[in-house]
Amino acid sequence: DAKTTQPPSMDCAEGRAANLPCNHSTISGNEYVYWYRQIHSQGPQYIIHGLKNNETNEMASLIITEDRKSSTLILPHATLRDTAVYYCIVRVASAGGTSYGKLTFGQGTILTVHP
Amino acid sequence: DTGVSQDPRHKITKRGQNVTFRCDPISEHNRLYWYRQTLGQGPEFLTYFQNEAQLEKSRLLSDRFSAERPKGSFSTLEIQRTEQGDSAMYLCASSFRSGRYNEQFFGPGTRLTVL
Repeated sequence: DAKTTQPPSMDCAEGRAANLPCNHSTISGNEYVYWYRQIHSQGPQYIIHGLKNNETNEMASLIITEDRKSSTLILPHATLRDTAVYYCIVRVASAGGTSYGKLTFGQGTILTVHP
Repeated sequence: DTGVSQDPRHKITKRGQNVTFRCDPISEHNRLYWYRQTLGQGPEFLTYFQNEAQLEKSRLLSDRFSAERPKGSFSTLEIQRTEQGDSAMYLCASSFRSGRYNEQFFGPGTRLTVL
């Protein structure tokens, strides 16, 4: 699986958008970008994933650059409960188009949302 | 709540003792993963089961570690002759092979402290 690079920490004001960047310059054509987050003292939680198109769900939006070498996770209206460590993970997909197997976590970005 | 559960949540033991942790995955999930997380680091993959078959083991899983999933439901992780370096959070996750992009659902973890 390709390596990812994230800033160690970021701050955001409550109610504002939080934009978390991730570099994955060695990503391969069959690798997806996944985002998980880990709130203090809890297990990681899936947020969103994508291959090459931008994706949006009830939690966040994922913007992937055209060359797929970087991506940005957007939390549109951050709340205090969004304070967590955010992990960007690149993961190989099977020939059938679904990912399987282990997740390789880096150190992630500590996002702190301030009142 | 039908999420992933882990027992115990906390375990304090003396060096040299054996410990066993249990993970109950989401009932229809056929894949189960164990990860270890030390302070300030992202989770590290230990091992992975599909049904009762252990399909992958990390080099981190030394001979003192053994994991089982005898009936393809719950799993146990045993550490023999514990060492202080084994102190960590042990996380279990489960997923459904044909589920939504193999999203992994994590339990709350078992925090092990070896004195």
